[in-house]
Amino acid sequence: DAKTTQPPSMDCAEGRAANLPCNHSTISGNEYVYWYRQIHSQGPQYIIHGLKNNETNEMASLIITEDRKSSTLILPHATLRDTAVYYCIVRVVKGSQGNLIFGKGTKLSVKP
Amino acid sequence: EPEVTQTPSHQVTQMGQEVILRCVPISNHLYFYWYRQILGQKVEFLVSFYNNEISEKSEIFDDQFSVERPDGSNFTLKIRSTKLEDSAMYFCASSRTGLTGELFFGEGSRLTVL
Repeated sequence: DAKTTQPPSMDCAEGRAANLPCNHSTISGNEYVYWYRQIHSQGPQYIIHGLKNNETNEMASLIITEDRKSSTLILPHATLRDTAVYYCIVRVVKGSQGNLIFGKGTKLSVKP
Repeated sequence: EPEVTQTPSHQVTQMGQEVILRCVPISNHLYFYWYRQILGQKVEFLVSFYNNEISEKSEIFDDQFSVERPDGSNFTLKIRSTKLEDSAMYFCASSRTGLTGELFFGEGSRLTVL
């Protein structure tokens, strides 16, 4: 089962920042937090991942709390094309290969 | 930008028939995965694969399923005798490293079992 909890849906106004929360209170010390999104039924698209430090790339920023029990994905200037289901995933590591176990995600609707 | 490619994009088959879904991972990636998504449901992990062996498989991945890397470039998922409930979108993914690298997903193969 997924180790994360996310709100089922959120709305955001176009041009505003979208802040998507995620709880992962049972995360282990060596487990990374990943964010993916899925637009319609397309393949999941990688956004960003992190372990304990905040991360930023061209798509988004990831803020991880100091106790690592929760995180927030920030899309700084949401556009209509950012409407998608966003998945927060704790990567479970077994042996030499870690898998992504998807939950239900947050359906983000960006409105004009 | 390199990408994972999957064929066919859509396949319709009769119940009981064998189906092979094909994937070409990103060329320098060594870790491979199959996921599926039944319409309206979440993305489900099927199997992970490295060094010509299955690393992990889910309960969904029963004896009807098999994976293979036949020629060093393709990665295939075979369903031996399809059932109605196998109708889903199947996603292949690959990653360069096994523990921390991001997984890159293909656009999926839609399987419809009649």
